[in-house]
Amino acid sequence: SQTIHQWPATLVQPVGSPLSLECTVEGTSNPNLYWYRQAAGRGLQLLFYSVGIGQISSEVPQNLSASRPQDRQFILSSKKLLLSDSGFYLCAWSVQAITDTQYFGPGTRLTVL
Amino acid sequence: AQSVAQPEDQVNVAEGNPLTVKCTYSVSGNPYLFWYVQYPNRGLQFLLKYITGDNLVKGSYGFEAEFNKSQTSFHLKKPSALVSDSALYFCAASSSNTGKLIFGQGTTLQVKP
Repeated sequence: SQTIHQWPATLVQPVGSPLSLECTVEGTSNPNLYWYRQAAGRGLQLLFYSVGIGQISSEVPQNLSASRPQDRQFILSSKKLLLSDSGFYLCAWSVQAITDTQYFGPGTRLTVL
Repeated sequence: AQSVAQPEDQVNVAEGNPLTVKCTYSVSGNPYLFWYVQYPNRGLQFLLKYITGDNLVKGSYGFEAEFNKSQTSFHLKKPSALVSDSALYFCAASSSNTGKLIFGQGTTLQVKP
């Protein structure tokens, strides 16, 4: 069966510090991968998605970036965090079809102070 | 622009009573509709989806949803609510024109004993 991991689970970082969040998927090959941000426990905002290694699409202009160095690894990064980057970050995966379900990881709670 | 609306921020029901969580959508092309549930500080769990076929879709934990094309709705229902159903519920939609999943703002379901 497929599983998706995210780490760390929680993170407290000062403003201006760098960020690296990691997501890995097991039990499937060539998945679509997604990064979402959830602010204030409500709606989800799609940040990035990837259909393959090295292929990243950005949905929202911001100081975050994403990379996919391996087939089942997706990394969210920032060089300098802002207060507004605080939130709950969720990684998801799906099979390569628009009707397929997206399955979510456990999330990372980021607090920028 | 494509959108998903969940008109109720919170729904309160007594344990054992039927529950309904409302969702309406606006997408171009054939809609693909999903329901997810989120428990505090956790990722989203998939409940059910409508792609095509029977308008009544059955999913996990006794939940079901009815697709109504004329009313562009996809309401989530359960015949008998449990206290453990208390959580945040998200409706989401994509379409044959775009594979991106758009989420509603979420509805908090509170089931009281």
